[in-house]
Amino acid sequence: GENVEQHPSTLSVQEGDSAVIKCTYSDSASNYFPWYKQELGKGPQLIIDIRSNVGEKKDQRIAVTLNKTAKHFSLHITETQPEDSAVYFCAASKGSNYQLIWGAGTKLIIKP
Amino acid sequence: SQTIHQWPATLVQPVGSPLSLECTVEGTSNPNLYWYRQAAGRGLQLLFYSIGIDQISSEVPQNLSASRPQDRQFILSSKKLLLSDSGFYLCAGFLGARGGGYTFGSGTRLTVV
Repeated sequence: GENVEQHPSTLSVQEGDSAVIKCTYSDSASNYFPWYKQELGKGPQLIIDIRSNVGEKKDQRIAVTLNKTAKHFSLHITETQPEDSAVYFCAASKGSNYQLIWGAGTKLIIKP
Repeated sequence: SQTIHQWPATLVQPVGSPLSLECTVEGTSNPNLYWYRQAAGRGLQLLFYSIGIDQISSEVPQNLSASRPQDRQFILSSKKLLLSDSGFYLCAGFLGARGGGYTFGSGTRLTVV
């Protein structure tokens, strides 16, 4: 079955710098790759997603890139702000029921 | 858009006591529904998912069970809680390709003492 690996487990960056979180997946049939942000004590929230027919997608300071050949996708956050501090999860899915396979999460710390 | 309601937000229960966590969906019909558990500082473990009324699939053998008596209601239960059942429980719904991914509830923090 599908397996999603996420790195790093913890990432600490200076406010204003960029942060990059990477995920790899094993099943080449996966075609949907969302990223979620989870703040302390809350449920995860979708922040951006990408489908396999697109190589890159951007939404303000957040972008996701997908390399289907290498089977990896990355989350890029530019000009980081204190409110970006959270745990970020990547996921992958295939098929009509869109059951997600999750990465283990990255704790992002923004240093003032 | 759909909204997932979960309650209670926090729960402290003694070992051996029963459990019932409820999740309801607002704003849509016939969603796929999921129960996840998250240990402190850890990832999301899928416990159960449901594609319709009385249709439940279990992902992990455990002390818990799930039921879906109505289209928009998903219940997580246990007859006798174990210490290892402590964690953060999340309900999620999926509307389909046009729904923008999963929507999560606000979670229930369960501590078994």
